[in-house]
Amino acid sequence: EPEVTQTPSHQVTQMGQEVILRCVPISNHLYFYWYRQILGQKVEFLVSFYNNEISEKSEIFDDQFSVERPDGSNFTLKIRSTKLEDSAMYFCASNRDAPSYEQYFGPGTRLTVT
Amino acid sequence: GENVEQHPSTLSVQEGDSAVIKCTYSDSASNYFPWYKQELGKRPQLIIDIRSNVGEKKDQRIAVTLNKTAKHFSLHITETQPEDSAVYFCAATPPYGNKLVFGAGTILRVKS
Repeated sequence: EPEVTQTPSHQVTQMGQEVILRCVPISNHLYFYWYRQILGQKVEFLVSFYNNEISEKSEIFDDQFSVERPDGSNFTLKIRSTKLEDSAMYFCASNRDAPSYEQYFGPGTRLTVT
Repeated sequence: GENVEQHPSTLSVQEGDSAVIKCTYSDSASNYFPWYKQELGKRPQLIIDIRSNVGEKKDQRIAVTLNKTAKHFSLHITETQPEDSAVYFCAATPPYGNKLVFGAGTILRVKS
């Protein structure tokens, strides 16, 4: 069964540094998402992406964040200047089409900002 | 925007007993309600979902019920087993987008 994959599994970075988290959604999926989960808390929506543009973003997704689909398979989340409070698990998700709704999650990238 | 409340935050049951987790949502137009199971350090995995035009759905030991009038939905797990121990999240999808709005999660412990 196809799965969403993410790299790296764990990223440690210093405050102020840029990080890029990478995701490979399921190949025939059209909608892509990033969520984050601070340790012990609920999963929070960051951004959704369709047809090479952002379709929705949350208030968390400020100017420090950006997303890109640089080629036909990868979907990336960039944080320009990381802060301590960006430390969290970041999940990528995808689904085939909007009416289908079911979102498949990747294994996550644990981001630790020191 | 949509807000999802989930109760209880922790639930301990004896193996073989039933477990019920409840969620309420605020946007009456939300139309899709999935339940995810998350084991420690793992990704959320969809276990069952329900759309707003259906009142109940069952899959073996797991069932979900939806009450649109009251804006709440519940997860029912029967004959619980130790491997059911995990964090369970409910979620709702508002009609104006495709994002999932999650509840705070329920830690389910099944004691053998």
